[in-house]
Amino acid sequence: EVQLVESGGGLIQPGGSLRLSCAASGFTVSSKYMSWVRQAPGKGLEWVSVIYSGGGTNYRDSVRGRFTISRDNSRNTVYLQMNSLRVEDTAVYYCVRDPWDYWGQGTLVTVSS
Amino acid sequence: DVVMTQSPLSLPVTLGQPASISCRSSQSLVYSNGNTYLSWFQQRPGQSPRRLIYQVSNRDSGVPDRFSGSGSGTDFTLKISRVEAEDVGVYYCMQHTHWPITFGQGTRLEIK
Repeated sequence: EVQLVESGGGLIQPGGSLRLSCAASGFTVSSKYMSWVRQAPGKGLEWVSVIYSGGGTNYRDSVRGRFTISRDNSRNTVYLQMNSLRVEDTAVYYCVRDPWDYWGQGTLVTVSS
Repeated sequence: DVVMTQSPLSLPVTLGQPASISCRSSQSLVYSNGNTYLSWFQQRPGQSPRRLIYQVSNRDSGVPDRFSGSGSGTDFTLKISRVEAEDVGVYYCMQHTHWPITFGQGTRLEIK
């Protein structure tokens, strides 16, 4: 059974850093594109970043240079390192398997002073 | 970026009645291989999104057949033939033909 379990969210001050983790089971993360999608409180869905099966990465413009997506094949886990966090990064962050058929339960990141 | 525009944004429906949601893209979603990467998601209150439809009209496993998707190019529709109480939530269209991936604003379905 495919499962995605996110962790690492929390309350952080503006300018701080957090690392989100997405532990996968039931498939191999290195065989799929894996994305992070976020949802600000009461708002819609916004794609953030992807790591391709070949290891390449892509980001939305507003996080490029601040966020880094990576994976650890031995742990079957995908990460999102978030630096220089801003208030507008506050959201629930979901880990998603391409072809968009499995989503994690989400982890809440709150950026506030 | 490709802009995805959904309408209506709020959809009150009587139980047992049909419902329809429109999604329009700012450019064609036909990929170079001929496929159209347009999906529909349902997000029930307090839950993660769940994919209902992929590549315009393919229903996911376990999705009731009262849900159907149609359309082509830049104009797409999600239809529910007879709304049930469990259908309450927000529905999103999403394109992944072009980077960055973009979503519609969401349509909130409620029972009248």
